[in-house]
Amino acid sequence: DQQVKQNSPSLSVQEGRISILNCDYTNSMFDYFLWYKKYPAEGPTFLISISSIKDKNEDGRFTVFLNKSAKHLSLHIVPSQPGDSAVYFCAASDSSGTYKYIFGTGTRLKVLA
Amino acid sequence: NAGVTQTPKFRVLKTGQSMTLLCAQDMNHEYMYWYRQDPGMGLRLIHYSVGEGTTAKGEVPDGYNVSRLKKQNFLLGLESAAPSQTSVYFCASRLAGVGSDTQYFGPGTRLTVL
Repeated sequence: DQQVKQNSPSLSVQEGRISILNCDYTNSMFDYFLWYKKYPAEGPTFLISISSIKDKNEDGRFTVFLNKSAKHLSLHIVPSQPGDSAVYFCAASDSSGTYKYIFGTGTRLKVLA
Repeated sequence: NAGVTQTPKFRVLKTGQSMTLLCAQDMNHEYMYWYRQDPGMGLRLIHYSVGEGTTAKGEVPDGYNVSRLKKQNFLLGLESAAPSQTSVYFCASRLAGVGSDTQYFGPGTRLTVL
């Protein structure tokens, strides 16, 4: 039973356009969500996060949107750059004290120059 | 400040052999985690620790053991390696408490079990 799902394994976008990466979750107890970026042969690096008390968080070219009723979050990258080409993981956690994160399967983004 | 480091970076084992993966962090983080990454499976939590001397099971703990004798180190052991344990292993750490949910990851260890 996969609690965090990224249904698009890959996405290609032209440089300068918007990239939209999607993530769905099933556990209504999740109240904190994160996006990580991973380049080949490196560990994931934190990109942006959002708490369930918000519906949007912005950091430069990156914006995360949260729709709690739909149990859906999305990461928008505008404008997309070739250096954004990587695998993006969404992750979720709850405040129950388990300290655990559940990761999605990742979406490979390719930004075409 | 090296962040999170992992030793070794690569290893090849034969079925039945044992080994220990070492994770070290110099950020004084309370929480540490071990994940494995497999194609199409994302990152799956193996074991984690919320403090020195404490460990807990994650999603896929079978075949692994861990120890956290010192706050800065988290060891992952494979007592009898199996081909199904071929994977890339990532260690991560973070500060304790709500609002400190960002995990910092190491560069990974690529393990192949023949």
